[in-house]
Amino acid sequence: LAKTTQPISMDSYEGQEVNITCSHNNIATNDYITWYQQFPSQGPRFIIQGYKTKVTNEVASLFIPADRKSSTLSLPRVSLSDTAVYYCLVGDLYSGAGSYQLTFGKGTKLSVIP
Amino acid sequence: EAQVTQNPRYLITVTGKKLTVTCSQNMNHEYMSWYRQDPGLGLRQIYYSMNVEVTDKGDVPEGYKVSRKEKRNFPLILESPSPNQTSLYFCASRYGGASEAFFGQGTRLTVV
Repeated sequence: LAKTTQPISMDSYEGQEVNITCSHNNIATNDYITWYQQFPSQGPRFIIQGYKTKVTNEVASLFIPADRKSSTLSLPRVSLSDTAVYYCLVGDLYSGAGSYQLTFGKGTKLSVIP
Repeated sequence: EAQVTQNPRYLITVTGKKLTVTCSQNMNHEYMSWYRQDPGLGLRQIYYSMNVEVTDKGDVPEGYKVSRKEKRNFPLILESPSPNQTSLYFCASRYGGASEAFFGQGTRLTVV
């Protein structure tokens, strides 16, 4: 799996849009970008996944530029309940070779302030 | 309902007393993993399994054992627990590669 780099922490006020950027310079052609959310003492939860351009669901949007060397998770109008750690992962969805390990790293700790 | 079930949720034990944390998934996933999470260190993978009878070490395997005799179950075994294994443990499963992973509720283990 490609190595990723993301900020250690971010603060935001309630109601603001939050953008968390992840750098993945060595992304491979078949790799997808996946984001997870983890609340304290709970297991990570899948948020969104994409390959290129833009993906949107009811929780977030994922922006991926043409070179795919980075991606941005966008959370619209955050609330206190969005305070969590967000992880960016990159890897081939289906390939066994080189994809056995799912490595999470330390993620980005988002703190939403009232 | 698709889920990964871990047991127990909380466990306090003494040094050297063998214990097993169970993990079961009902999604027919081939890949299963165990992680531990400690403050400031993020999620670290202990062991993973690509299929029945196929397992391999993750980043922090020392002091742990696993087995995969059935597709749905992936127990984590601590033969002789030590205080440095006090941690929050998560089991996860997925179809393969970087596909969506489903996590259990976690097991908080304290070794005294």
